[in-house]
Amino acid sequence: DQQVKQNSPSLSVQEGRISILNCDYTNSMFDYFLWYKKYPAEGPTFLISISSIKDKNEDGRFTVFLNKSAKHLSLHIVPSQPGDSAVYFCAASAQGSARQLTFGSGTQLTVLP
Amino acid sequence: EPEVTQTPSHQVTQMGQEVILRCVPISNHLYFYWYRQILGQKVEFLVSFYNNEISEKSEIFDDQFSVERPDGSNFTLKIRSTKLEDSAMYFCASGGQGAEPQHFGDGTRLSIL
Repeated sequence: DQQVKQNSPSLSVQEGRISILNCDYTNSMFDYFLWYKKYPAEGPTFLISISSIKDKNEDGRFTVFLNKSAKHLSLHIVPSQPGDSAVYFCAASAQGSARQLTFGSGTQLTVLP
Repeated sequence: EPEVTQTPSHQVTQMGQEVILRCVPISNHLYFYWYRQILGQKVEFLVSFYNNEISEKSEIFDDQFSVERPDGSNFTLKIRSTKLEDSAMYFCASGGQGAEPQHFGDGTRLSIL
């Protein structure tokens, strides 16, 4: 099941620079998208979400962009900090499905000091 | 900030035994979920629960699995006769109305011997 794909298993970025994490989806019924951050031995922590009626949502250093025609979303972190080092999961849900989440495989972000 | 709590953090059980994983969702949330993550694989949806009944379940959630909200605060996942392939991290999540983000607990690591 590859409905949500994160093609980059890892990403390294210098502190202070921009981190861009990408996610693609195939199910056109998805209308709500979320990014979660996960540290080892902890559960996924919600970061930011976007509804399909928008193309951008911003929260502090985090911005999510949605390109519905390309079925692509991205998470931008500016500026990146060493504490941002974690696995980032993209997730999606469809209306009427009890909002069950379909997850990507995650991207390990390492922010180098 | 309210959080989802899960117990135990680690459960070791012999194959064929019953196991119950416990969760206390965020108190004003209405939707409750179980997900699992087998080592090295994606986070997978198991079941959603709303208004005291299962609203959606995946093909993983077979007759060996059951969920219950016995007392209005706890939300449990029972596996009747565990198999080796049930070894995974099990995450509980809860969410509010509509397209609101789900919040996850830190998980229970289930090890079947």
